[in-house]
Amino acid sequence: EDQVTQSPEALRLQEGESSSLNCSYTVSGLRGLFWYRQDPGKGPEFLFTLYSAGEEKEKERLKATLTKKESFLHITAPKPEDSATYLCAVQAPSGSRLTFGEGTQLTVNP
Amino acid sequence: ETGVTQSPTHLIKTRGQQVTLRCSSQSGHNTVSWYQQALGQGPQFIFQYYREEENGRGNFPPRFSGLQFPNYSSELNVNALELDDSALYLCASSCGTVSGNTIYFGEGSWLTVV
Repeated sequence: EDQVTQSPEALRLQEGESSSLNCSYTVSGLRGLFWYRQDPGKGPEFLFTLYSAGEEKEKERLKATLTKKESFLHITAPKPEDSATYLCAVQAPSGSRLTFGEGTQLTVNP
Repeated sequence: ETGVTQSPTHLIKTRGQQVTLRCSSQSGHNTVSWYQQALGQGPQFIFQYYREEENGRGNFPPRFSGLQFPNYSSELNVNALELDDSALYLCASSCGTVSGNTIYFGEGSWLTVV
């Protein structure tokens, strides 16, 4: 059974204080690892898909990396508008479903 | 803007009733998946439709059922509603089922069962 564990559950940062979110996964063959951002009361907003160990992708202040067991979402010099819940999900080759973690709730204080 | 639209955005139902939720996928996307997200949790996969056929199902009872139409829009039906069915229901669309396809979510339908 595919499993995804995200840590920490919640993270408070000061504006400009860089940090990383962790996503550990167990899957029988990885088709893709997805990162989403979710604002309260909204649907998940797509950020990145990573496909193989060593791959990295960047978007503004966010950078996602992937190893064979985990992914990191690095946030550089965050701003208050980066406050949201960040969800990680894996997709196995055997199907198209996404298995999500519980998310990391990020708060960036001005 | 993902191009995935869901309706209604909010609804309240009584235990034992039935509900239908609707989703219009992004243009050109022939695969639709439905997820249930309880408060404070990650989304849980319900099922997926590809070219009008069910193509995978999560650990949900048969009272959760769905349809996909020729224009690739989709419905989620839930019968005999229970209090624990209260959640955000998310629709996701993609083009095909192979890797390399971005999966986009709609804003969801908030269901409250009282």
